[in-house]
Amino acid sequence: QKEVEQNSGPLSVPEGAIASLNCTYSDRGSQSFFWYRQYSGKSPELIMFIYSNGDKEDGRFTAQLNKASQYVSLLIRDSQPSDSATYLCAVEDAGNMLTFGGGTRLMVKP
Amino acid sequence: DAGVTQSPTHLIKTRGQQVTLRCSPISGHKSVSWYQQVLGQGPQFIFQYYEKEERGRGNFPDRFSARQFPNYSSELNVNALLLGDSALYLCASSLEGTSNQPQHFGDGTRLSIL
Repeated sequence: QKEVEQNSGPLSVPEGAIASLNCTYSDRGSQSFFWYRQYSGKSPELIMFIYSNGDKEDGRFTAQLNKASQYVSLLIRDSQPSDSATYLCAVEDAGNMLTFGGGTRLMVKP
Repeated sequence: DAGVTQSPTHLIKTRGQQVTLRCSPISGHKSVSWYQQVLGQGPQFIFQYYEKEERGRGNFPDRFSARQFPNYSSELNVNALLLGDSALYLCASSLEGTSNQPQHFGDGTRLSIL
């Protein structure tokens, strides 16, 4: 049984701070890792993906992957109230099928 | 360009009925996947289709079935509905359904079972 674990939160950060979201996974064969943002009542929206160990930056977002520790994280710099949402970590096996964590709810307070 | 489109947006059914949900992928995408998201949880994988062939099936009962058409659109069917089938049903598409290809989600169909 493949598992993806996230702290459900809520994670509360002040506006302008760095939000750090973490995810661990059980399947060492996992190849690709995705972060989705989901606003309440909406569908998941892809914001980042990472395939190789290390960091990947895109604007205010940085994804970090450590396959040896089976750990992936998402950093959001200069957090804005509009970043308040649930962040879903998804892990892909060789067949492009995604296993999701339960999500972390982020609250950015003005 | 249009994203993934799903219909209907909302649906209310009673226990024991059958339902069909529809999905059109992003233009050029050949792979469609279906997920079920129960309130407060992450999406759970149901099916993946590529070129009309089933490529993967999650841990769901045989009451759930799906198919993909030559134009790459897809239908998800659920028979003998149970109260526990109440959820947001999400369709996602990717180029060819192989590794390292991001999946993009539609707005979902919210199914309520009374």
